[in-house]
Amino acid sequence: DTEVTQTPKHLVMGMTNKKSLKCEQHMGHRAMYWYKQKAKKPPELMFVYSYEKLSINESVPSRFSPECPNSSLLNLHLHALQPEDSALYLCASSPRLAGDTQYFGPGTRLTVL
Amino acid sequence: AQSVAQPEDQVNVAEGNPLTVKCTYSVSGNPYLFWYVQYPNRGLQFLLKYITGDNLVKGSYGFEAEFNKSQTSFHLKKPSALVSDSALYFCAVSPRPMDSNYQLIWGAGTKLIIKP
Repeated sequence: DTEVTQTPKHLVMGMTNKKSLKCEQHMGHRAMYWYKQKAKKPPELMFVYSYEKLSINESVPSRFSPECPNSSLLNLHLHALQPEDSALYLCASSPRLAGDTQYFGPGTRLTVL
Repeated sequence: AQSVAQPEDQVNVAEGNPLTVKCTYSVSGNPYLFWYVQYPNRGLQFLLKYITGDNLVKGSYGFEAEFNKSQTSFHLKKPSALVSDSALYFCAVSPRPMDSNYQLIWGAGTKLIIKP
């Protein structure tokens, strides 16, 4: 089963709100990723976790805060976002980092008002 | 700088005809090559990848891709297009050695439209 699940599917939030995006996989993958995708553009890497440790932070603003509570779960905490942060947020996982295929979830469509 | 090019923003094909979506890359060494598809309002789905070996890679939904090392290309193909193949297709490349640089380099995407 190559399934990555994400909740919620849609999220609308104001600039002063705090919300969280959740991602889960039960494939035993040890690498998990957060991407941001604008319409009709390729995904942009935000964070990478390897064996539950933050491996890459692509200079993402501190209003985005990732968390990896265990090997199956990945969260993205959102606070004081800007309208330009509105996008599709994709979670992905892969068995390891080393060139393995990344499997993507369906994404969370985020709108910041 | 390392890059992936998908030279066509959009490809239009009649249903039943063969389709090709082009991808070329400028990445040192022998990278891993991937194709992903994205249907409207959905996440990306893995189609196929090339690591080594046979230059023709077969993937999901009847798609295949041809690797050409001399032309640094990895074109996606399907012998007979279906209307349901209409989607956004991304080529991605993962440089080697993996331990030091494992991020995917993405092409800009090609919108494939299959007309009945």
